[in-house]
Amino acid sequence: ELKVEQNPLFLSMQEGKNYTIYCNYSTTSDRLYWYRQDPGKSLESLFVLLSNGAVKQEGRLMASLDTKARLSTLHITAAVHDLSATYFCAVDSSSGNTPLVFGKGTRLSVIA
Amino acid sequence: EPEVTQTPSHQVTQMGQEVILRCVPISNHLYFYWYRQILGQKVEFLVSFYNNEISEKSEIFDDQFSVERPDGSNFTLKIRSTKLEDSAMYFCASSDNRGPVREQYFGPGTRLTVT
Repeated sequence: ELKVEQNPLFLSMQEGKNYTIYCNYSTTSDRLYWYRQDPGKSLESLFVLLSNGAVKQEGRLMASLDTKARLSTLHITAAVHDLSATYFCAVDSSSGNTPLVFGKGTRLSVIA
Repeated sequence: EPEVTQTPSHQVTQMGQEVILRCVPISNHLYFYWYRQILGQKVEFLVSFYNNEISEKSEIFDDQFSVERPDGSNFTLKIRSTKLEDSAMYFCASSDNRGPVREQYFGPGTRLTVT
């Protein structure tokens, strides 16, 4: 059974600081996704990572994937208040029409 | 830009009642999914649907749940006799599942409150 673990689950950080969210998964997978969710809202796709060593960046967020370690990271650079949200990683089981298995999410709060 | 839509945005129902949640997937997508998220918790897979039949379902998706694609555009989730623990946000997603990305696009969700 595929399991996805994120840490930390809660993160309070000051504006301007850097931090990393970690996502570990238990079995081989070809695809890892990062989503952002604002309170009461849907899931906004941030990154899709497809291969070992993949790195993608969008603004202050950078995601990477190490398939050998079964680890993805979401790095936040110089945080701003607008980044406050819950961030989920999700992995699919690579068996055709595959449901996503989500981590528990990291609730990020950026404070001044 | 095409998007997944869901109705209603919020549904309040009494325990034991039947509810139908509706979704309109992106028009050229072939794979459809329902997920749920209990308040403050992670997103959980319920069921996937392809070629007019269920392709995979989770343990959560018991006999009280059913899905249907009644016409060429709608994809519905029915809960026959709602329980308090069915209160959650229900998300519909669709994908074309072609190519390496196979990204699932999520709708805005339906908040179901069972009283």
